Amino acid sequence: SQQGEEDPQALSIQEGENATMNCSYKTSINNLQWYRQNSGRGLVHLILIRSNEREKHSGRLRVTLDTSKKSSSLLITASRAADTASYFCATDSGTYKYIFGTGTRLKVLA
Amino acid sequence: SAVISQKPSRDICQRGTSLTIQCQVDSQVTMMFWYRQQPGQSLTLIATANQGSEATYESGFVIDKFPISRPNLTFSTLTVSNMSPEDSSIYLCSHVEGLYPETQYFGPGTRLLVL
Repeated sequence: SQQGEEDPQALSIQEGENATMNCSYKTSINNLQWYRQNSGRGLVHLILIRSNEREKHSGRLRVTLDTSKKSSSLLITASRAADTASYFCATDSGTYKYIFGTGTRLKVLA
Repeated sequence: SAVISQKPSRDICQRGTSLTIQCQVDSQVTMMFWYRQQPGQSLTLIATANQGSEATYESGFVIDKFPISRPNLTFSTLTVSNMSPEDSSIYLCSHVEGLYPETQYFGPGTRLLVL
C-alpha cells in the first residue's frame, strides 16, 4: 500500500499540553499537507509544506518535514478541547493524487 | 478558497439501490476529485472528475460501480450503484486551487449507511 503511516493512532492529553503527531510516507513528494477532521465531517486544511521547506508555522501549529527520513510532524501547542479531532497528513508526488495517512485521533481533555 | 457543498449530507439506503451525491463549488475549478472514507479509516481516492470527458478511476474502482459526471467547472456527481453494506462510508469531493503547490480543499462529506 502506498498509504502513509501516522503515529500515534490515538493520543489523549490535558488541555494546555502540546500534542505531537508524526507522519511517514514511502515515495518522494512535492508537498505534504495536514488536515483536521471533526467527528467524521469534511476535512479542514491546516497547513501545506513544500518539499524544499523544513519547518512551517501557523498560529499554534508547527509542521516539520524531513525528506531524508520521509517523515513529517505536526505540533499543536497549548492544546484546547476544541482541538479534539482526527488529524491526517496527505502527500502529493506531483500528480494531484493525494495519498492520505492513517490518521491520529487526538482527544484533549478539559 | 472556493466553497464546496455536497448533497445529501447523509442518507440511509437499502442494498441494491443507487444514490447520487452532488458536489457544487461556488467558483470554477479545474480539478475535482471524489474520495471514500470507510468507517474509522483514512481517505482513498476514487477518481478524478474531468470536465467534458470520462472520469479517471483509481485502482480498485470502476465506472460501473461509481459513475461520475462533470458537466461543467463548478459541479460534479458521484453515483454509488447497486449498493451493499460495504459501501457504507463518507464520500467527499474536493478540488485544488492556488498556485503550485496547490492546496486541496474538501466538501463537508456525505455520510452513507447501507442496510
